[in-house]
Amino acid sequence: QQPVQSPQAVILREGEDAVINCSSSKALYSVHWYRQKHGEAPVFLMILLKGGEQKGHDKISASFNEKKQQSSLYLTASQLSYSGTYFCGTEYNNAGNMLTFGGGTRLMVKP
Amino acid sequence: DTGVSQDPRHKITKRGQNVTFRCDPISEHNRLYWYRQTLGQGPEFLTYFQNEAQLEKSRLLSDRFSAERPKGSFSTLEIQRTEQGDSAMYLCASSPGTSGRPGYFGPGTRLTVL
Repeated sequence: QQPVQSPQAVILREGEDAVINCSSSKALYSVHWYRQKHGEAPVFLMILLKGGEQKGHDKISASFNEKKQQSSLYLTASQLSYSGTYFCGTEYNNAGNMLTFGGGTRLMVKP
Repeated sequence: DTGVSQDPRHKITKRGQNVTFRCDPISEHNRLYWYRQTLGQGPEFLTYFQNEAQLEKSRLLSDRFSAERPKGSFSTLEIQRTEQGDSAMYLCASSPGTSGRPGYFGPGTRLTVL
């Protein structure tokens, strides 16, 4: 079953912050975050494994709430380059056989 | 080679024709995945290989679709008797094969069926 992402779309001004959520009705093993720009392939951002670990690099970080079966992606002090569609891909076991992607969150950062 | 490559990048075909796409994964990656993405949606899993073995296929993969990875390196995805509903971006990804390790996507092949 597909994870649910929210919001579906968000518009920011440069320097503003955003949070994108990814919720699952099934127990999660891991959550993978990708960003996709129009006409391009998804680009890997980070993986979170069950255990509530928070990861981050630069001004993009993410958390995994195992109790809620939810992951959140945090974008701080957004830059124009952050614009794109963000997808979470979920694994429900450690077989490593496939990701089930959410419907995406479109982020637009304006000057 | 630093990434996954796919060929062709664009394909326009007429309904009923057969098409074949190729994917070259990152060289040390033993897992290779095919996904399909339609406009405004997330990628949908089609099938995956570990080395040359095809280990799982989605119900989305009808009898008209076939995928191979004959020597455990590159892979091909063939669609026979294409239909307009097959129009989509076909994405290939590869990974080292351990769960919790990232999959890296290729640039995709955009198929348009007229």
